[in-house]
Amino acid sequence: AQTVTQSQPEMSVQEAETVTLSCTYDTSESNYYLFWYKQPPSRQMILVIRQEAYKQQNATENRFSVNFQKAAKSFSLKISDSQLGDTAMYFCAFMKTLMNNNAGNMLTFGGGTRLMVKP
Amino acid sequence: AAGVIQSPRHLIKEKRETATLKCYPIPRHDTVYWYQQGPGQDPQFLISFYEKMQSDKGSIPDRFSAQQFSDYHSELNMSSLELGDSALYFCASSPPRELKDYPGTDTQYFGPGTRLTVL
Repeated sequence: AQTVTQSQPEMSVQEAETVTLSCTYDTSESNYYLFWYKQPPSRQMILVIRQEAYKQQNATENRFSVNFQKAAKSFSLKISDSQLGDTAMYFCAFMKTLMNNNAGNMLTFGGGTRLMVKP
Repeated sequence: AAGVIQSPRHLIKEKRETATLKCYPIPRHDTVYWYQQGPGQDPQFLISFYEKMQSDKGSIPDRFSAQQFSDYHSELNMSSLELGDSALYFCASSPPRELKDYPGTDTQYFGPGTRLTVL
């Protein structure tokens, strides 16, 4: 079974500054995906970024980037130029992947990090 | 772009009553996942369906059942409701794995959730 750990229950950052959210995971799988989802006060789950484990290059999406360290089983999210709209709960999630169909592809979430962006 | 649709958005039931939650996946998505998020918790996987067949089962109580229909929409049926069933229920969908070039392969897209309150 996979486990995902987010060691920072709450964080805050000033608007326009940079913040890094930590995530570690434990798995014996070799093929998997990692995700960061954002859950604002509306409670909608919004995909922020994803990383394929077989890719060494870190994923980036505009102001969001990850630092994926496969050997260390670490997957941190960096938010640059933080905006007030980034205030949300952030969940790190793991998904193993199988070759032929979507069986077994459930997400395992970490406990979340509540991020507050201050003006 | 079309998103995952869930209905109803809010539902209030009494203990021991039944509830049915509906999920309409993004067009061309053939896999549906159900997650339960209790207050202050991360989402927990309940059950998933691939091509109208159950593909995986998580921490879903025996009082709950679900199915996926020929049009790929899914329904989660909950009976003998308990106070502890009060939660946000998410449905997510993902596209066929064989569509390797389809945007979002191996990614789950979440609906807005159904908030169930059991009194």
